[in-house]
Amino acid sequence: GENVEQHPSTLSVQEGDSAVIKCTYSDSASNYFPWYKQELGKGPQLIIDIRSNVGEKKDQRIAVTLNKTAKHFSLHITETQPEDSAVYFCAASEDYQLIWGAGTKLIIKP
Amino acid sequence: GAGVSQTPSNKVTEKGKYVELRCDPISGHTALYWYRQSLGQGPEFLIYFQGTGAADDSGLPNDRFFAVRPEGSVSTLKIQRTERGDSAVYLCASSYGTKETQYFGPGTRLLVL
Repeated sequence: GENVEQHPSTLSVQEGDSAVIKCTYSDSASNYFPWYKQELGKGPQLIIDIRSNVGEKKDQRIAVTLNKTAKHFSLHITETQPEDSAVYFCAASEDYQLIWGAGTKLIIKP
Repeated sequence: GAGVSQTPSNKVTEKGKYVELRCDPISGHTALYWYRQSLGQGPEFLIYFQGTGAADDSGLPNDRFFAVRPEGSVSTLKIQRTERGDSAVYLCASSYGTKETQYFGPGTRLLVL
């Protein structure tokens, strides 16, 4: 079955700098890759997603890139702000079952 | 519009008791999912409904866990003879259809003493 690995587990960046979180997946049949942000005590909130027919997608300060050959995808957050502090999860799916990474705790230092 | 809602937000029970967790999906969403999230980990898939039927219950850990969605909207996750290892956050998500974006509720935090 699918396995998703996510790195780093913790990422601390200065406010205003960029943050990059990387994920790899094992099943080449996976074709959908969402990223979720989870704040303490809340459910995961979708921030961006990408399907396997595109290599990059941007939404304001957030971008996701996908390399199907290498089976990895990354989340890029530019001009980080204090409200970006949270745990970020990547996931991969072939149909409806999301397989999740272990999460990255993003800390924005003032 | 209203998002996915889950009740209760917190549930404390004793080992061996029965619990029910409720999920109200986004109106019009035909697909509904239950996940379980342990501390410091990503969610794990439990069960998926398309309409009223459980299309895939392969993630349910054992026969103490059961879920229903009798009218194709609200779903209830039922756990019998709870064990301390069942303590986790139980997340519900819904989507417009299969393979569409999943939107999550706030979760129910279950603590089994």
